[in-house]
Amino acid sequence: DAGVIQSPRHEVTEMGQEVTLRCKPISGHDYLFWYRQTMMRGLELLIYFNNNVPIDDSGMPEDRFSAKMPNASFSTLKIQPSEPRDSAVYFCASRRGQSSYNEQFFGPGTRLTVL
Amino acid sequence: AQSVSQHNHHVILSEAASLELGCNYSYGGTVNLFWYVQYPGQHLQLLLKYFSGDPLVKGIKGFEAEFIKSKFSFNLRKPSVQWSDTAEYFCAVITNAGKSTFGDGTTLTVKP
Repeated sequence: DAGVIQSPRHEVTEMGQEVTLRCKPISGHDYLFWYRQTMMRGLELLIYFNNNVPIDDSGMPEDRFSAKMPNASFSTLKIQPSEPRDSAVYFCASRRGQSSYNEQFFGPGTRLTVL
Repeated sequence: AQSVSQHNHHVILSEAASLELGCNYSYGGTVNLFWYVQYPGQHLQLLLKYFSGDPLVKGIKGFEAEFIKSKFSFNLRKPSVQWSDTAEYFCAVITNAGKSTFGDGTTLTVKP
């Protein structure tokens, strides 16, 4: 298996532009997580899905952020409009099964820079 | 709401020194505890995890962690670190409802 796939790996954009980050979870994994990592705030859980349904989006910073999971093999995290403070590394992770004991497998991350 | 506290933000050790990274959590219910490692330029990888049973958990690369319920702690240890252990280490708590909370991370630098 190729593991969790994220694209793009790097994104540089200007303030005000729309940014879309993409994630393909590991096949058969029914949980998908979006995280943001910054120096100031560490690793934060933004939102997670179970069977394509958002379960908890309390970590989404504000209305400019939205996430979708149209099917079991694809999810997007969108920022519109983007701001310089959104600059961070965004990780997607997936997990098989309901048990929280099961390992989350992380993707390589998307490094976003908003100028 | 759960929270995770990692006491050390940056630890610098010489090779062969012993390592202990602190992790304390707060949550009223049952939790699953994890340590993840992020090597420079790489994504997070699982080091070890605890759910129940023996509170001393052994992970990969010689790492171990001990769950002390009375102290709400899950400290990570390694008897003798190597230069290749230089990385950032994250403690995480995941509730049975599936919500995960990570600590701020501890950067470990091992001097050769």
